[in-house]
Amino acid sequence: AQSVTQPDIHITVSEGASLELRCNYSYGATPYLFWYVQSPGQGLQLLLKYFSGDTLVQGIKGFEAEFKRSQSSFNLRKPSVHWSDAAEYFCAARRASGTYKYIFGTGTRLKVLA
Amino acid sequence: NAGVMQNPRHLVRRRGQEARLRCSPVKGHSHVYWYRQLPEEGLKFMVYLQKENIIDESGMPKERFSAEFPKEGPSILRIQQVVRGDSAAYFCASSPQSQGSSVTEAFFGQGTRLTVV
Repeated sequence: AQSVTQPDIHITVSEGASLELRCNYSYGATPYLFWYVQSPGQGLQLLLKYFSGDTLVQGIKGFEAEFKRSQSSFNLRKPSVHWSDAAEYFCAARRASGTYKYIFGTGTRLKVLA
Repeated sequence: NAGVMQNPRHLVRRRGQEARLRCSPVKGHSHVYWYRQLPEEGLKFMVYLQKENIIDESGMPKERFSAEFPKEGPSILRIQQVVRGDSAAYFCASSPQSQGSSVTEAFFGQGTRLTVV
């Protein structure tokens, strides 16, 4: 069955520290991959997406993600975290053809210490 | 250029009442998806609709839940006889019809937060 796994439920980092959020997927073929951020009580904001091509993807707010086919991973990174980055982060995937049905991970809640 | 519009943003219903959630897709988008987010969980797919057709309802509970996307007007997610366990955030997403090699993503609304008391 298709699935997206985010192994870390909670992560706490200090402001200014680097960040890496993990995401692994299980699909029959390489899916399209996405990272979203959700602030409390808010909707989803797309940070970045990977369809094909360059495996290092740049997104908004200084985020980037690297697609690694051999590890079935799409980890999100940021070199220096800001207090405003505290939120919940969701990795998502969908098939590369046909439906836009997304499979979401369970999310990683990021806490930033001042 | 309005995005996906969901209303109401917040909805409170007593147990046994009906809840109607509305979703207006991005103009020109013909595909709508509904997702449910339970507290402390990720989004779970419920149903995928095109105009006047249900394409995939594999994530819909078998009873009390229904969805439609009429030729005119918004998509509606309807929950009959709500129970406390229906309390969740319900998100709608829309996408255009795939055209050739064009690749894009679905656009999500801000969600409707349903509270059953």
